[in-house]
Amino acid sequence: DTGVSQDPRHKITKRGQNVTFRCDPISEHNRLYWYRQTLGQGPEFLTYFQNEAQLEKSRLLSDRFSAERPKGSFSTLEIQRTEQGDSAMYLCASTRPNTEAFFGQGTRLTVV
Amino acid sequence: KQEVTQIPAALSVPEGENLVLNCSFTDSAIYNLQWFRQDPGKGLTSLLLIQSSQREQTSGRLNASLDKSSGRSTLYIAASQPGDSATYLCANAGGTSYGKLTFGQGTILTVHP
Repeated sequence: DTGVSQDPRHKITKRGQNVTFRCDPISEHNRLYWYRQTLGQGPEFLTYFQNEAQLEKSRLLSDRFSAERPKGSFSTLEIQRTEQGDSAMYLCASTRPNTEAFFGQGTRLTVV
Repeated sequence: KQEVTQIPAALSVPEGENLVLNCSFTDSAIYNLQWFRQDPGKGLTSLLLIQSSQREQTSGRLNASLDKSSGRSTLYIAASQPGDSATYLCANAGGTSYGKLTFGQGTILTVHP
């Protein structure tokens, strides 16, 4: 078990481009979450999957954002038509019910 | 809406001191509370998890307490070391049963030799 893995670690993109991030959770964890963290702030919840079902999306997740978790394993987060305000650290976490959450190292997105 | 506040925002102490970080939350209907450590540019490392039925948890030099009635949690670090320098975040899972976390803004801790 190597923990939660995120790829890429860093991404620089031009405004208007699409980007996709990947998260591989701990294998036996059926719950997967995406969070976004801006400088000096705590992480903010974006979306939650239980197995392959996306059960909650935050209002922070505009229609330019989409997340999937096919087959209840890895997850992807896509941002279309990126804006400078999308620049942030995107964090993935996984857990089993009512146990501690484990986070990945995050993907740092910079939109120029 | 659950809100989590951490005090102080930053703390600087000499090596060897014992210290307390504070976390308060508005909704006492929580499932659990978790403390994390975050190094610059890195992800979050879980330190301690306190279930709603528990009052405290200990791991090495760390002790976390939970008082649901007052909406407070504290993280006590004994005999601080320069390697403890990091941002400490508390988060609670409340309002839903599926573990969505609401975070405070963190306390930036600097332990100087």
